[in-house]
Amino acid sequence: AQKITQTQPGMFVQEKEAVTLDCTYDTSDQSYGLFWYKQPSSGEMIFLIYQGSYDEQNATEGRYSLNFQKARKSANLVISASQLGDSAMYFCAMRETGNQFYFGTGTSLTVIP
Amino acid sequence: DTGVSQDPRHKITKRGQNVTFRCDPISEHNRLYWYRQTLGQGPEFLTYFQNEAQLEKSRLLSDRFSAERPKGSFSTLEIQRTEQGDSAMYLCASSLLGTGNTGELFFGEGSRLTVL
Repeated sequence: AQKITQTQPGMFVQEKEAVTLDCTYDTSDQSYGLFWYKQPSSGEMIFLIYQGSYDEQNATEGRYSLNFQKARKSANLVISASQLGDSAMYFCAMRETGNQFYFGTGTSLTVIP
Repeated sequence: DTGVSQDPRHKITKRGQNVTFRCDPISEHNRLYWYRQTLGQGPEFLTYFQNEAQLEKSRLLSDRFSAERPKGSFSTLEIQRTEQGDSAMYLCASSLLGTGNTGELFFGEGSRLTVL
């Protein structure tokens, strides 16, 4: 079974609108961490946001927020007020107790002016 | 500290040749990871080190691949007898996991391998 599933290969959003990128995960660990990374066309992986499995509040970092629904094992990324520079690949990742990181297949986001 | 650095950034080689990539992590980071990424895919885990100990290696990793982190600082990834299917971006990342931090991965810019 896939550890991380991202079902949206590509998404489009109008500039200044909000967009939600979906991520579901599979683990039997009680303690784990969930991460979102951005990979622009230049190739570098940029860390965006983190959610710990024991965190009760949804994480927020500026325009990024993580909609964490533990019972549903989902960790969706919400980007508010989209900007042209948000166009990139977005990867959801999970770190289990053993410290290995698993990545999803990514979602390509295109922001339309 | 300027972050994770990888060398070379690009490598073109002929099938059957050996190649070696180097990664210099952020100096205080105790964990170092190697990933492989092909076009349109997410990073695929290869192996990871805590200090100088190689703690895990992907079961999918051919025995042609070997990695070392001899002094717990820089790491090398060697691919022997390269095949065309080895063509990919090889990403190195480091992290510091401890109390009070999230332990996120910091990635280098990657080493792109093309096997002809």
